[in-house]
Amino acid sequence: DAKTTQPPSMDCAEGRAANLPCNHSTISGNEYVYWYRQIHSQGPQYIIHGLKNNETNEMASLIITEDRKSSTLILPHATLRDTAVYYCIAPQAGTALIFGKGTTLSVSS
Amino acid sequence: DAGVTQSPTHLIKTRGQQVTLRCSPKSGHDTVSWYQQALGQGPQFIFQYYEEEERQRGNFPDRFSGHQFPNYSSELNVNALLLGDSALYLCASSLGPVRGAFFGQGTRLTVV
Repeated sequence: DAKTTQPPSMDCAEGRAANLPCNHSTISGNEYVYWYRQIHSQGPQYIIHGLKNNETNEMASLIITEDRKSSTLILPHATLRDTAVYYCIAPQAGTALIFGKGTTLSVSS
Repeated sequence: DAGVTQSPTHLIKTRGQQVTLRCSPKSGHDTVSWYQQALGQGPQFIFQYYEEEERQRGNFPDRFSGHQFPNYSSELNVNALLLGDSALYLCASSLGPVRGAFFGQGTRLTVV
């Protein structure tokens, strides 16, 4: 797996955009970037994934830099229910997801 | 679609005993991965099953074993339980390895 580096914690005001960065400078050309989140005591929830192009779904947007060495997960209008640990993962092709420590996002009113 | 279902949701076992946890993958998924999550830690990968074979394994002792059935459901077995095996055990399923795995809500195992 490409090693990923995320800040341990971030704060965000409710209603504002939450921008969560992830560094994956050793990523290979065929390795996707996956984002998951885990709300306390629940199973991880898939958010989004991408290879080269920016991606958007109903939950979030994923911005991947042109050199693919970093990415940003954007929650456009954070709510209190978005408080969770967010994991950025770049598994080797065909291998299972290996979780790091992630970023604890705290959304406050 | 019921998603990934795990049973039981909670379990208490005595040190030295054996335990079996079960996982039914999301409909249409053929790959199952198991994770152990201790309190305050991220999920740790145990192993992955595809086509009824263990295809990848994390850094866990042989006391941890598994099985995948023809209907793609899976079991995780842990022998000779230790107090340190107390954790949330998560099952994830996907269509093929990796590929946006979906997780169940886990089985909370307590070893006393």
